[in-house]
Amino acid sequence: TQLLEQSPQFLSIQEGENLTVYCNSSSVFSSLQWYRQEPGEGPVLLVTVVTGGEVKKLKRLTFQFGDARKDSSLHITAAQPGDTGLYLCAGVKVGTASKLTFGTGTRLQVTL
Amino acid sequence: DADVTQTPRNRITKTGKRIMLECSQTKGHDRMYWYRQDPGLGLRLIYYSFDVKDINKGEISDGYSVSRQAQAKFSLSLESAIPNQTALYFCATSDSTLASLNEQFFGPGTRLTVL
Repeated sequence: TQLLEQSPQFLSIQEGENLTVYCNSSSVFSSLQWYRQEPGEGPVLLVTVVTGGEVKKLKRLTFQFGDARKDSSLHITAAQPGDTGLYLCAGVKVGTASKLTFGTGTRLQVTL
Repeated sequence: DADVTQTPRNRITKTGKRIMLECSQTKGHDRMYWYRQDPGLGLRLIYYSFDVKDINKGEISDGYSVSRQAQAKFSLSLESAIPNQTALYFCATSDSTLASLNEQFFGPGTRLTVL
């Protein structure tokens, strides 16, 4: 059983469209992170959210941590081809500060 | 220069061979990790080390061993490689002073193929 479920698994959209990626769990997390991974490279940290209900914005990307700290979402406004990649959520489960649990990933393709 | 480096970047080997993957970091972090990535399974933790004298098994440690030679170096060994160990392998680091966040910084990965 995957601790962090991401949806959708794949998303193919055109430039300019908006999209939302979801990261859900039945467990509570003390913090949650989003990473982006491009082909041939390792994941790169985008943001960390730590407070229930927290919203963070990074240019056209908006990240939200659920009130109960069990879920998170990533919204991209006016997607661009440069947003193409694998998006991974990862969390520190309460009581397990030593380990980061990763979601299964959402592969996004943005075409012209 | 990259903060976290991995060597080799690509490796093809045969079943039964011993393989070592190396990781070095210049971030000054005390914690280091080895993950493998398989399609549809995300990143899974193999081993992690909080300092030179501390080594811990992750969720999929069978068939693997590690060595923390120095704070900046953490190597992963496959004693006798088998085909289902074909995967992308990533090394990562984090700073214990921010342990509650556990923000990790990844190397570029090693693509390992076991024939």
